[in-house]
Amino acid sequence: QSALTQPPSASGSPGQSVTISCTGTSNDIGTYNYVSWYQHRPGKAPKVIIYEVNERLPGVPDRFSASKSGNTASLTVSGLQAEDEADYYCSSYAGSNTLIFGGGTKLTVL
Amino acid sequence: QVQLQESGPGLVKASQTLSLTCTVSGGFINTEYFYWSWIRLRPGKGLEWLGHIYKSGTTYFNPSLQSRSTISVDMSKSNFSLKVNSVTVADTATYFCARLRRDLQPYVFDVWGQGTMVTVSS
Repeated sequence: QSALTQPPSASGSPGQSVTISCTGTSNDIGTYNYVSWYQHRPGKAPKVIIYEVNERLPGVPDRFSASKSGNTASLTVSGLQAEDEADYYCSSYAGSNTLIFGGGTKLTVL
Repeated sequence: QVQLQESGPGLVKASQTLSLTCTVSGGFINTEYFYWSWIRLRPGKGLEWLGHIYKSGTTYFNPSLQSRSTISVDMSKSNFSLKVNSVTVADTATYFCARLRRDLQPYVFDVWGQGTMVTVSS
Protein backbone atom coordinates (compact mmCIF):
# COMPACT_ATOMS: atom_id res chain seq x y z
CA GLN A 1 0.00 0.00 0.00
CA SER A 2 1.98 3.00 -1.29
CA ALA A 3 1.01 6.53 -0.36
CA LEU A 4 -0.98 8.62 -2.78
CA THR A 5 1.29 10.99 -4.70
CA GLN A 6 1.07 14.70 -4.01
CA PRO A 7 3.49 17.49 -4.95
CA PRO A 8 5.53 18.37 -1.86
CA SER A 9 4.86 22.07 -2.23
CA ALA A 10 2.58 24.61 -3.89
CA SER A 11 2.38 28.36 -3.66
CA GLY A 12 0.47 31.38 -4.82
CA SER A 13 -0.04 35.03 -4.08
CA PRO A 14 -3.10 36.29 -2.25
CA GLY A 15 -6.11 36.26 -4.52
CA GLN A 16 -4.64 33.68 -6.89
CA SER A 17 -5.77 30.10 -7.38
CA VAL A 18 -3.73 27.00 -6.65
CA THR A 19 -4.48 23.39 -7.52
CA ILE A 20 -3.01 20.43 -5.66
CA SER A 21 -3.07 17.02 -7.31
CA CYS A 22 -3.33 13.63 -5.66
CA THR A 23 -2.54 10.59 -7.78
CA GLY A 24 -3.44 7.07 -6.80
CA THR A 25 -4.27 3.89 -8.64
CA SER A 26 -7.24 1.90 -9.84
CA ASN A 27 -7.22 0.25 -6.40
CA ASP A 28 -8.16 3.45 -4.61
CA ILE A 29 -8.99 6.80 -6.22
CA GLY A 30 -9.76 5.19 -9.56
CA THR A 31 -12.45 2.95 -8.12
CA TYR A 32 -13.92 4.69 -5.10
CA ASN A 33 -15.53 8.11 -4.71
CA TYR A 34 -14.41 8.30 -1.10
CA VAL A 35 -11.69 10.88 -1.55
CA SER A 36 -11.21 13.40 1.26
CA TRP A 37 -8.96 16.38 1.76
CA TYR A 38 -7.52 17.52 5.09
CA GLN A 39 -5.97 20.82 6.12
CA HIS A 40 -3.26 20.56 8.75
CA ARG A 41 -1.61 23.43 10.52
CA PRO A 42 1.45 22.47 12.59
CA GLY A 43 0.64 21.73 16.18
CA LYS A 44 -3.06 21.42 15.45
CA ALA A 45 -5.34 18.53 14.65
CA PRO A 46 -5.95 17.95 10.93
CA LYS A 47 -9.31 19.21 9.74
CA VAL A 48 -11.38 17.63 6.98
CA ILE A 49 -12.46 20.13 4.35
CA ILE A 50 -13.67 17.95 1.46
CA TYR A 51 -15.28 14.51 1.44
CA GLU A 52 -16.67 12.18 -1.23
CA VAL A 53 -14.47 13.80 -3.89
CA ASN A 54 -16.08 17.25 -4.00
CA GLU A 55 -18.39 17.79 -1.02
CA ARG A 56 -17.47 20.64 1.31
CA LEU A 57 -17.98 20.29 5.04
CA PRO A 58 -20.32 22.91 6.55
CA GLY A 59 -18.37 26.04 7.33
CA VAL A 60 -15.66 25.43 4.74
CA PRO A 61 -15.38 28.44 2.42
CA ASP A 62 -16.52 27.86 -1.14
CA ARG A 63 -13.04 28.98 -2.20
CA PHE A 64 -12.16 25.31 -1.66
CA SER A 65 -13.28 22.98 -4.42
CA ALA A 66 -12.24 19.53 -5.54
CA SER A 67 -12.69 17.02 -8.31
CA LYS A 68 -11.52 13.65 -9.59
CA SER A 69 -10.57 12.28 -12.98
CA GLY A 70 -9.45 8.70 -13.34
CA ASN A 71 -6.84 7.92 -10.71
CA THR A 72 -6.18 11.57 -9.85
CA ALA A 73 -8.02 13.85 -7.47
CA SER A 74 -7.47 17.59 -7.24
CA LEU A 75 -8.05 20.31 -4.68
CA THR A 76 -8.32 23.91 -5.85
CA VAL A 77 -8.07 26.87 -3.54
CA SER A 78 -9.34 30.04 -5.20
CA GLY A 79 -8.84 33.58 -3.95
CA LEU A 80 -5.91 32.53 -1.78
CA GLN A 81 -5.79 34.03 1.67
CA ALA A 82 -2.97 34.05 4.20
CA GLU A 83 -4.99 31.77 6.47
CA ASP A 84 -4.93 29.05 3.79
CA GLU A 85 -1.25 28.45 4.40
CA ALA A 86 -1.06 24.88 5.74
CA ASP A 87 -0.27 21.31 4.78
CA TYR A 88 -2.93 19.59 2.72
CA TYR A 89 -3.44 15.84 2.57
CA CYS A 90 -5.65 13.73 0.36
CA SER A 91 -7.08 10.44 1.53
CA SER A 92 -8.87 7.65 -0.28
CA TYR A 93 -10.70 4.49 0.61
CA ALA A 94 -8.67 1.58 -0.75
CA GLY A 95 -11.06 -1.34 -0.33
CA SER A 96 -11.33 -4.00 2.38
CA ASN A 97 -11.89 -1.34 5.00
CA THR A 98 -8.48 0.24 4.51
CA LEU A 99 -7.53 3.84 3.82
CA ILE A 100 -4.54 5.58 2.34
CA PHE A 101 -3.20 9.11 2.61
CA GLY A 102 -1.11 11.23 0.30
CA GLY A 103 2.33 12.45 1.21
CA GLY A 104 1.06 15.95 1.82
CA THR A 105 1.51 19.30 0.08
CA LYS A 106 2.79 22.38 1.86
CA LEU A 107 0.82 25.37 0.58
CA THR A 108 2.60 28.68 0.92
CA VAL A 109 0.84 32.00 0.42
CA LEU A 110 3.47 34.36 -0.91
CA GLN B 1 -19.27 17.79 21.04
CA VAL B 2 -17.08 14.71 20.86
CA GLN B 3 -13.45 15.18 21.84
CA LEU B 4 -10.55 12.76 21.58
CA GLN B 5 -7.40 12.87 23.69
CA GLU B 6 -4.30 10.74 23.23
CA SER B 7 -2.14 9.69 26.16
CA GLY B 8 0.95 7.58 26.65
CA PRO B 9 4.72 7.71 27.02
CA GLY B 10 6.56 10.21 24.89
CA LEU B 11 9.73 8.13 24.82
CA VAL B 12 10.07 4.45 24.00
CA LYS B 13 13.23 2.42 23.60
CA ALA B 14 13.89 0.57 20.37
CA SER B 15 12.67 -3.03 20.30
CA GLN B 16 10.09 -2.30 23.00
CA THR B 17 6.32 -1.77 22.70
CA LEU B 18 4.67 1.57 22.02
CA SER B 19 1.36 1.88 23.87
CA LEU B 20 -1.09 4.73 23.45
CA THR B 21 -4.66 5.30 24.61
CA CYS B 22 -7.32 7.58 23.17
CA THR B 23 -10.08 8.73 25.50
CA VAL B 24 -13.40 9.69 23.94
CA SER B 25 -15.48 12.31 25.73
CA GLY B 26 -18.73 14.08 24.90
CA GLY B 27 -20.09 11.14 22.95
CA PHE B 28 -20.57 7.41 22.89
CA ILE B 29 -17.83 5.07 21.77
CA ASN B 30 -20.33 2.22 21.59
CA THR B 31 -22.04 3.40 18.42
CA GLU B 32 -22.61 1.77 15.06
CA TYR B 33 -21.83 4.95 13.13
CA PHE B 34 -18.08 5.19 13.65
CA TYR B 35 -14.80 3.39 13.63
CA TRP B 36 -12.05 4.47 16.01
CA SER B 37 -8.74 5.03 14.30
CA TRP B 38 -5.03 5.62 14.71
CA ILE B 39 -3.00 7.74 12.32
CA ARG B 40 0.58 8.94 12.56
CA LEU B 41 2.72 11.68 11.08
CA ARG B 42 6.39 10.87 10.87
CA PRO B 43 8.98 13.65 10.47
CA GLY B 44 9.31 14.57 6.81
CA LYS B 45 6.56 12.16 5.82
CA GLY B 46 2.84 12.38 5.23
CA LEU B 47 -0.04 11.13 7.30
CA GLU B 48 -0.20 7.36 7.58
CA TRP B 49 -3.35 5.45 8.48
CA LEU B 50 -2.42 2.73 10.96
CA GLY B 51 -5.72 1.02 11.61
CA HIS B 52 -9.14 1.23 13.19
CA ILE B 53 -11.53 -0.71 15.36
CA TYR B 54 -15.29 -1.12 15.38
CA LYS B 55 -17.39 -1.39 18.53
CA SER B 56 -17.56 -5.16 17.97
CA GLY B 57 -13.81 -5.37 18.37
CA THR B 58 -13.21 -6.06 14.68
CA THR B 59 -9.97 -4.44 13.61
CA TYR B 60 -8.49 -3.34 10.31
CA PHE B 61 -4.84 -2.51 9.81
CA ASN B 62 -2.42 -0.94 7.38
CA PRO B 63 -0.69 -3.96 5.85
CA SER B 64 2.71 -2.41 6.50
CA LEU B 65 2.20 -2.51 10.27
CA GLN B 66 -0.33 -5.29 10.69
CA SER B 67 2.15 -7.83 11.99
CA ARG B 68 3.30 -5.50 14.78
CA SER B 69 0.09 -3.70 15.72
CA THR B 70 -2.86 -4.27 18.01
CA ILE B 71 -5.89 -2.06 18.55
CA SER B 72 -8.35 -2.69 21.35
CA VAL B 73 -11.39 -0.92 22.77
CA ASP B 74 -12.60 -0.56 26.35
CA MET B 75 -16.26 0.46 26.31
CA SER B 76 -16.41 0.82 30.12
CA LYS B 77 -13.64 3.44 30.04
CA SER B 78 -14.70 4.97 26.73
CA ASN B 79 -11.26 4.57 25.25
CA PHE B 80 -9.36 2.63 22.65
CA SER B 81 -5.70 1.75 22.49
CA LEU B 82 -2.85 1.13 20.08
CA LYS B 83 0.13 -1.11 20.66
CA VAL B 84 3.04 -1.38 18.24
CA ASN B 85 5.62 -4.03 19.01
CA SER B 86 9.32 -4.09 18.23
CA VAL B 87 9.54 -0.39 17.50
CA THR B 88 12.47 1.22 15.71
CA VAL B 89 13.49 4.83 15.26
CA ALA B 90 11.33 4.79 12.12
CA ASP B 91 8.28 4.65 14.38
CA THR B 92 9.10 8.08 15.80
CA ALA B 93 6.06 10.18 14.98
CA THR B 94 3.15 12.22 16.18
CA TYR B 95 0.33 9.78 16.76
CA PHE B 96 -3.26 10.90 16.32
CA CYS B 97 -6.44 9.14 17.23
CA ALA B 98 -9.46 9.98 15.11
CA ARG B 99 -13.08 9.09 14.54
CA LEU B 100 -13.83 7.53 11.17
CA ARG B 101 -17.38 7.86 9.93
CA ARG B 102 -19.39 4.94 8.56
CA ASP B 103 -22.58 6.79 7.80
CA LEU B 104 -23.40 10.09 6.12
CA GLN B 105 -19.82 10.88 5.19
CA PRO B 106 -18.24 7.46 4.80
CA TYR B 107 -14.52 7.05 5.36
CA VAL B 108 -14.04 10.58 6.65
CA PHE B 109 -11.91 11.27 9.72
CA ASP B 110 -14.16 13.95 11.16
CA VAL B 111 -12.86 14.30 14.72
CA TRP B 112 -9.20 14.17 15.68
CA GLY B 113 -7.18 14.29 18.84
CA GLN B 114 -4.46 16.89 19.18
CA GLY B 115 -1.78 14.27 18.66
CA THR B 116 0.97 12.99 20.89
CA MET B 117 4.65 12.91 19.97
CA VAL B 118 6.40 9.60 20.49
CA THR B 119 10.16 9.34 20.13
CA VAL B 120 11.85 5.98 19.79
CA SER B 121 15.37 6.04 21.17
CA SER B 122 18.07 3.72 19.97
